[in-house]
Amino acid sequence: DSGVTQTPKHLITATGQRVTLRCSPRSGDLSVYWYQQSLDQGLQFLIQYYNGEERAKGNILERFSAQQFPDLHSELNLSSLELGDSALYFCASSRPGGANTGELFFGEGSRLTVL
Amino acid sequence: GENVEQHPSTLSVQEGDSAVIKCTYSDSASNYFPWYKQELGKRPQLIIDIRSNVGEKKDQRIAVTLNKTAKHFSLHITETQPEDSAVYFCAASILAAGNKLTFGGGTRVLVKP
Repeated sequence: DSGVTQTPKHLITATGQRVTLRCSPRSGDLSVYWYQQSLDQGLQFLIQYYNGEERAKGNILERFSAQQFPDLHSELNLSSLELGDSALYFCASSRPGGANTGELFFGEGSRLTVL
Repeated sequence: GENVEQHPSTLSVQEGDSAVIKCTYSDSASNYFPWYKQELGKRPQLIIDIRSNVGEKKDQRIAVTLNKTAKHFSLHITETQPEDSAVYFCAASILAAGNKLTFGGGTRVLVKP
């Protein structure tokens, strides 16, 4: 158990719909990262938040948005869903700063299937 | 931005043999190079990492080497076992800049008994 919690674990929805994925980082971790892993593909960086502020942005589609709340949990919102958005979405957390070992701790992922 | 290339994409080895996976990175400012192992249906987990001030690091049967000049790093697994079968990802980042990891495309390793 990495200490990072993601919900839901599985989600099936239709094209055009909107979904929200939730992530609770490890206790004390200030940074949250979102990655997308399509079938047999690598880990594509979407976005990073640090203590509530956006820190870095990857190839995140305009239909996708995220935020990190004061309690440090994060949500990834995916809208106008397309078939190609079907993927495993991972959240990871770390503790940048003086205590930063560099390691990202991944959650179990949320598997999104768009039909 | 950073770009990480990883080879090979698949690797099949006989149990007991060695496996080597190679990665190159593009951003000379990158100073942190971790390797993650992802078993089928599971989350990626860190198995070993190396920082730019170190050329080699070893942990039991796994080792990582880094050549900063050539901007490449490699993972070596010796005496492979069936439980080493998984997808391995290399990554690169700049620790001081928030540690956003850029991953390579992954190597699917199959260890045949």
